[in-house]
This record gives sequence, C-alpha cells and structure tokens, in this order.
Amino acid sequence: NAGVMQNPRHLVRRRGQEARLRCSPMKGHSHVYWYRQLPEEGLKFMVYLQKENIIDESGMPKERFSAEFPKEGPSILRIQQVVRGDSAAYFCASSHRDRGGSPLHFGNGTRLTVT
Amino acid sequence: GQQLNQSPQSMFIQEGEDVSMNCTSSSIFNTWLWYKQEPGEGPVLLIALYKAGELTSNGRLTAQFGITRKDSFLNISASIPSDVGIYFCAGQLFGNEKLTFGTGTRLTIIP
Repeated sequence: NAGVMQNPRHLVRRRGQEARLRCSPMKGHSHVYWYRQLPEEGLKFMVYLQKENIIDESGMPKERFSAEFPKEGPSILRIQQVVRGDSAAYFCASSHRDRGGSPLHFGNGTRLTVT
Repeated sequence: GQQLNQSPQSMFIQEGEDVSMNCTSSSIFNTWLWYKQEPGEGPVLLIALYKAGELTSNGRLTAQFGITRKDSFLNISASIPSDVGIYFCAGQLFGNEKLTFGTGTRLTIIP
C-alpha cells in the first residue's frame, strides 16, 4: 500500500505528557498537511509543510504544538503537555505539487485520547 | 476566514434512491473536491473539479463546479449500502494547497 501512512493509529496520553504523531507521505509526494477532526465535525487545517520548511502554520495553536518535516524520515506533529481538549483525530495528507489543483490524499489518522 | 456550508447535514434514504447534496462558500475557490469518510478512516477522494462549470462523473457519482466558483454539488445515483458515510466538500486556492472543508453530509441508507 503506497498510501499515506500514519502511526500510531491510537494514542493514549495522560494530561501533561507529550504526544508525537508520525506521517509518511505517499511516494513521490513532498508536501504534507496536518488536520484535526473533532467528533461529528469537519477537518480543520493545522499546518502545511514541505521538506525542511513550514509553509503555512496559520491553523496551529500558538503554544504546545509544533510540526516538522525533515529531509529524511516522516513528518512529526508534536503536542507538548497535552490537555483533554487535545483529544481528537489527527489526519495527515500529502500532495505532489506546489501549485493549485493537486488533490490531497489522506492517511487513516491518529486518534489521540487524553485522560 | 472562508467557510463552506454543506446541506443537508444528514440524509436518510432507501437503497436505490438518488442522492443530492451541495456546498456553498462565502468566497471563490479554484478547485473543488469531494471526499467520503467512513468510521475510523481518513477521507477518500471521490471527485476533483478544476474549472468553473465543469461537470465530472466517477461511476454513479456526478459533481459540478458552480459557475460562480462559490458552490458545488454532488449527486449519487441508485444508492447502495456501501455509500453510507460522511461526504465532505473541500475548496482549494491556487498558490495555497491547503483545503478548507465543509461541515459534512452524513448519508444513512435505510434497509
């Protein structure tokens, strides 16, 4: 399966711990996007990255959240000192072009539960 | 910011019926996309629309990109049980790949 791979599928953290979510884009894709989805809601944009660059982080909370997409390896979404409100499904998507008209392909998400 | 409103929010139909849902925006988009999401999974791309007025089909699915570039509709003909899920529209602007998602239409098929 050459699709977008996310892991872990499920992650449980206690309040105050750190959560690290990983995303490997589709083969040949160099653009990665992170979205958050609360139950019964649509997906909300968080951040758009290319290799070693953050292109648009307008949807990222100002504190505790960070994302990277290094030259080698998967993209990482990191949430420090998690709180209950961080519980959600986090989806990663990838695309292969840096111009409009390139559909995003999504992974199956990481479901974060903060206890 | 941009908002996409989808209607209806939910639909309960019988197998074999046709389905129609639409999406409207307060501002224009250059690309419209329709995704389907099933429980526990990520959104799966159904149809992509790139030109105002474009009408595109994918099997029993048909979608159109509105002339004003502020709306789109999705039709599903002769629904089958595996059509159950949540359908999302999404808009995209040139030069900015991120998608703005609609609020979703939940489709349920009554046996």
